[in-house]
Amino acid sequence: QKEVEQDPGPLSVPEGAIVSLNCTYSNSAFQYFMWYRQYSRKGPELLMYTYSSGNKEDGRFTAQVDKSSKYISLFIRDSQPSDSATYLCAMNQAGTALIFGKGTTLSVSS
Amino acid sequence: DGGITQSPKYLFRKEGQNVTLSCEQNLNHDAMYWYRQDPGQGLRLIYYSQIVNDFQKGDIAEGYSVSREKKESFPLTVTSAQKNPTAFYLCASSIALSRGGTEAFFGQGTRLTVV
Repeated sequence: QKEVEQDPGPLSVPEGAIVSLNCTYSNSAFQYFMWYRQYSRKGPELLMYTYSSGNKEDGRFTAQVDKSSKYISLFIRDSQPSDSATYLCAMNQAGTALIFGKGTTLSVSS
Repeated sequence: DGGITQSPKYLFRKEGQNVTLSCEQNLNHDAMYWYRQDPGQGLRLIYYSQIVNDFQKGDIAEGYSVSREKKESFPLTVTSAQKNPTAFYLCASSIALSRGGTEAFFGQGTRLTVV
């Protein structure tokens, strides 16, 4: 079993839809959880950062962490064509490098 | 502007050649990383360094080498021993890992193609 599992998609939604992106993981020691957005041929940019369990909201984006289920989610409200990108989950524990999921490709059509 | 600069953006390598990818950061970060990205594979860790003159192998270090002589710089050499080097290479940095699971900031990548 891979440490971090993420459905690669692709995921296609109409503009204005609510998007749900998810990752599961196997290492219960992970404490720090991140979501990155990557546009084609560019480096990933950090979207959301969460420590331990709980929710975090930033504008149209909400990150959720459920450590008991080893499951994290990113919700995008009122999705826009500019949200079309690959979304990567990443996580680690103190003292270790980030482990990434494979990324989910999202396409938002106008 | 603070950030991470990777060069070149595109790089072509002939079979049997070694090539070096540059990564420079002016964020005063202690830790630096190299990841490789292939279609459908996500990011895989090649090497990382937590302090100057020290580095650790990641999951796919075979065929690669690194150095960390300065805090700002972490070049990656793709050697001829790397059998399938065509990929998108990403450099990142963060504050010290010992200070917690900190987020990493990425450069814009180098696309390496073997010709």
